[in-house]
Amino acid sequence: DSGVTQTPKHLITATGQRVTLRCSPRSGDLSVYWYQQSLDQGLQFLIQYYNGEERAKGNILERFSAQQFPDLHSELNLSSLELGDSALYFCASSVGLGELFFGEGSRLTVL
Amino acid sequence: GQQLNQSPQSMFIQEGEDVSMNCTSSSIFNTWLWYKQDPGEGPVLLIALYKAGELTSNGRLTAQFGITRKDSFLNISASIPSDVGIYFCAGQFQGAQKLVFGQGTRLTINP
Repeated sequence: DSGVTQTPKHLITATGQRVTLRCSPRSGDLSVYWYQQSLDQGLQFLIQYYNGEERAKGNILERFSAQQFPDLHSELNLSSLELGDSALYFCASSVGLGELFFGEGSRLTVL
Repeated sequence: GQQLNQSPQSMFIQEGEDVSMNCTSSSIFNTWLWYKQDPGEGPVLLIALYKAGELTSNGRLTAQFGITRKDSFLNISASIPSDVGIYFCAGQFQGAQKLVFGQGTRLTINP
């Protein structure tokens, strides 16, 4: 158990819909990262928050947005969903530089 | 875009054999990490390397941070069935917290 909690574990929705994925980082970790993993692909960095502020941005679509709340949990919002958005979405957290610890992921299926 | 080249993409070995995989990059990294991912799970940290030339072991796993800081390898000795999974290398640029991931090496073991 990495200490990073993600909900929901599975989500099935239709094209055009909007979903929210939630992440609770490890106790004491200020940084939260979101990664996307499509079928049999590597992990693509989406966005990072540090203590409530956006720190780094990767290949995140404009239809996607994220935020980190004062209690340090984070949410990733995916809107106007397309079939190609079907993927595993991972949240990770860290204290600072160095090791990232990953949650078990949220599997999104868009039909 | 992808900045790490991980090889091989897949390996099929017999139980008890040793395994070697590596990652190379055109960029210099400050930190190298190796993760293992089981199907439907999040990546789990195996080894973290922080200094060029560093050689670190974790049980049957050994990893090295290349002298040029542009490569790393992971060796697994005397493989066992639970070693099956996908192994990812990840690099961290100086001053950055996000990780850049390789495409993964899928390890299959024949008993």
